[in-house]
Amino acid sequence: SQQGEEDPQALSIQEGENATMNCSYKTSINNLQWYRQNSGRGLVHLILIRSNEREKHSGRLRVTLDTSKKSSSLLITASRAADTASYFCATDGDYSGGGADGLTFGKGTHLIIQP
Amino acid sequence: DAGVIQSPRHEVTEMGQEVTLRCKPISGHDYLFWYRQTMMRGLELLIYFNNNVPIDDSGMPEDRFSAKMPNASFSTLKIQPSEPRDSAVYFCASSMTTGSDGYTFGSGTRLTVV
Repeated sequence: SQQGEEDPQALSIQEGENATMNCSYKTSINNLQWYRQNSGRGLVHLILIRSNEREKHSGRLRVTLDTSKKSSSLLITASRAADTASYFCATDGDYSGGGADGLTFGKGTHLIIQP
Repeated sequence: DAGVIQSPRHEVTEMGQEVTLRCKPISGHDYLFWYRQTMMRGLELLIYFNNNVPIDDSGMPEDRFSAKMPNASFSTLKIQPSEPRDSAVYFCASSMTTGSDGYTFGSGTRLTVV
């Protein structure tokens, strides 16, 4: 079953603008991750934020996490045509003492950057 | 490291035939995951292994699906017999125990069953 749900499903903006994507989830988590998928390719890990963190930065990416609202956002600043891709949030559930239990992915936001 | 390697990239087969998908994880990663991606259902976790041992196969849709990991550098996902509804992109991913660097995905196998 889907854990994360991204919003919006599709987003089209002009190059240079900022893009914001949101993710909501349902159960307690250890961490939340964001991935990018270019057409016809595998997923690429972008950033991981732990349940005790509220904000994290990596280059032009900024991720926030609000565990009280069970939501996260991914901000891409100064977008480029190469950022065109689908973006997925994935949750690592808090149902064991450690290790990996399999990420649960949302259906993604398709981002189009218009040159 | 060349990353997670999957083969074949594309597979077209007739209904009823056996299909075997292959995966070579990143050396040193002790978790391996098989996912299936479709437009309707998104990414679904089928099964995952830890140190070559299957841990959770609750996502495997039917008995027609089976997966093995005979050693740390190789895993297979087999569908026998295949059906048109199995058409999807199948991804293999691997990670280290801590998972702090996320998963590394292969490029996927696009399976078409006609």
